[in-house]
Amino acid sequence: GDSVTQMEGPVTLSEEAFLTINCTYTATGYPSLFWYVQYPGEGLQLLLKATKADDKGSNKGFEATYRKETTSFHLEKGSVQVSDSAVYFCALMYSGGGADGLTFGKGTHLIIQP
Amino acid sequence: KAGVTQTPRYLIKTRGQQVTLSCSPISGHRSVSWYQQTPGQGLQFLFEYFSETQRNKGNFPGRFSGRQFSNSRSEMNVSTLELGDSALYLCASSLTGSKLSGNTIYFGEGSWLTVV
Repeated sequence: GDSVTQMEGPVTLSEEAFLTINCTYTATGYPSLFWYVQYPGEGLQLLLKATKADDKGSNKGFEATYRKETTSFHLEKGSVQVSDSAVYFCALMYSGGGADGLTFGKGTHLIIQP
Repeated sequence: KAGVTQTPRYLIKTRGQQVTLSCSPISGHRSVSWYQQTPGQGLQFLFEYFSETQRNKGNFPGRFSGRQFSNSRSEMNVSTLELGDSALYLCASSLTGSKLSGNTIYFGEGSWLTVV
């Protein structure tokens, strides 16, 4: 079946460092791809999304590009802040009939130190 | 506008009991889906409702059920609780759910269930 793989961490970086969180997926079709963020004690917030190959999603300084050839959707940010500390989830979802909701990766725990 | 609201936020139940969790979607959203989050299994899809009909279902036993009302509010029920049902249960809403490419799904803050 379909699956999403991402590093689980924790990933620890210093403030203002460059961030990359890798995400690869296995899918039989052409899903939409998402990054969600979960702050301690809270639900999930949509960070960004891309619906087709070569689309770039971006929000709050974060970016990710839908790469069909490498089945990847890596999350990047040029300069992280302490407030970016959270758990980040990569996910995919199909549209149309037979869809079964979002398929999530295990989540990557990001810790930013001042 | 108000986000996805889940109640109760925290609850403790005993093995064998049943529990009902409630979710109010964003105004105008007709799709409600439920997810279970545990440290071991991560986030797993339970089911999706649209216009009072279950449209999709994940791989969970029949003890897990849900329903949606005419105002799009949804409830999920877990009967004969087991220790392994301890989890964060997340509700999510969207305009049309999984039927539309790129449809944005918004999550609530979740209901923390502890089974003892």
